[in-house]
Amino acid sequence: EADIYQTPRYLVIGTGKKITLECSQTMGHDKMYWYQQDPGMELHLIHYSYGVNSTEKGDLSSESTVSRIRTEHFPLTLESARPSHTSQYLCASSDSPPTIYGYTFGSGTRLTVV
Amino acid sequence: AQTVTQSQPEMSVQEAETVTLSCTYDTSENNYYLFWYKQPPSRQMILVIRQEAYKQQNATENRFSVNFQKAAKSFSLKISDSQLGDTAMYFCAFMKGAGSYQLTFGKGTKLSVIP
Repeated sequence: EADIYQTPRYLVIGTGKKITLECSQTMGHDKMYWYQQDPGMELHLIHYSYGVNSTEKGDLSSESTVSRIRTEHFPLTLESARPSHTSQYLCASSDSPPTIYGYTFGSGTRLTVV
Repeated sequence: AQTVTQSQPEMSVQEAETVTLSCTYDTSENNYYLFWYKQPPSRQMILVIRQEAYKQQNATENRFSVNFQKAAKSFSLKISDSQLGDTAMYFCAFMKGAGSYQLTFGKGTKLSVIP
């Protein structure tokens, strides 16, 4: 079944650790996105990619970085986690154009930095 | 830049009743798309309904329908015959028609369906 997968689902990690949040989709979508969803539930775009080797920063400034080496894979990395990074991170993908079907979202990774 | 405003942080409705969630937006674009997404507790966000700005006819999907007022920049969601499974966060979202495929979300409305 075509879908988008995020791992881990939950992560509790200590300050200063390096972490990578995984996101993979099996739909062949060329566009992928990372949103940060804060405790108030509002979603902010932090990274997006319109294809392999193409990544851009979103509206919300983030210390995280992303890579897009394969179409299906869009991991997010934090080199040194801090408590301020505690949030839920949602990955999404879309076909072209996304105006027809919108985005398909993963289940999210809930990150807690202690 | 576009902004999306959902003025109702929380709402509740009795099972089988009808409820309307409000959304307003601000844009200088003429060609754009509007979406309602549903995020059940601890579950995946899913698309409920979409509307093209150039279409005057309001979109409907089974029990879900919208009231799109382009001049007023209003895009409300009506849920008829509410079911317990409708309990979720509902997000209104905006996408420009071309060039940028980024979704801009409102802050969400938490809907509780009461048995």
